Amino acid sequence: QQQVKQSPQSLIVQKGGISIINCAYENTAFDYFPWYQQFPGKGPALLIAIRPDVSEKKEGRFTISFNKSAKQFSLHIMDSQPGDSATYFCAAVNTGNQFYFGTGTSLTVIP
Amino acid sequence: GAGVSQSPRYKVAKRGQDVALRCDPISGHVSLFWYQQALGQGPEFLTYFQNEAQLDKSGLPSDRFFAERPEGSVSTLKIQRTQQEDSAVYLCASSFAGTTEAFFGQGTRLTVV
Repeated sequence: QQQVKQSPQSLIVQKGGISIINCAYENTAFDYFPWYQQFPGKGPALLIAIRPDVSEKKEGRFTISFNKSAKQFSLHIMDSQPGDSATYFCAAVNTGNQFYFGTGTSLTVIP
Repeated sequence: GAGVSQSPRYKVAKRGQDVALRCDPISGHVSLFWYQQALGQGPEFLTYFQNEAQLDKSGLPSDRFFAERPEGSVSTLKIQRTQQEDSAVYLCASSFAGTTEAFFGQGTRLTVV
C-alpha cells in the first residue's frame, strides 16, 4: 500500500513559470514532511521540509503548502529554471524516523 | 567524511550470486537507513540502524537480504542468491540522533543478469 501518493508523474514547465507538485498521505502519525530533489545518477538531496504545526514554509523560490485537515501538502517552485529539471520526491516521516516516499515527479523546465 | 559514501557505484551480478554493498555514513551520524529504489520509483525503506542496533528491518523483502552495522559506523547490505527482481539502486542515508534530516549517498546500482 502506497503510504504517500504523489502527482503528477511528470511535469513540463516553461522557464519562469510555476511548478506545482502535490502529495497526499493517510497515516496521521507522520510528523515531518520533506521534499527531495534527485538528479540522474545522484542520491536524493533535501530541498525543503515542513512540520504539521505550520501551513506554509518558504525558502527562496521553493514553498511548501501544508493542509493538515486534508492530509495534503504541495511543493511550489516559483520562477522555474532549467537547472530545476530533476525528479522530486515528497516524503512523510513518522516518529520512528521511518521515511515513506512518493513515487516521484519528473520536472522538465523548458528554456 | 564530507558525505555518505557508497561502494561500489555499480555492480553486475549473475543470478544466484551473493553481493555485498557498503555504506560509509557521515561521521557522527547515529542513524543509518537502507532504501531500494526501482527504476522510475521512489525509494522504499529496507532497514534502519541506530548505532549498531538494527531497530527496524520490516522492509527487507526476503530472508535473502541481510544488513549489519557491527561497530555502529560502516554498514553492509548483503543479498544472497540474487534474483533479477533485486535489480535496483540501493541507497544509504544517515542522520544525527533525534533529527529527521537524512543525507543520502549516491547509491549502488545493482543489475542482476
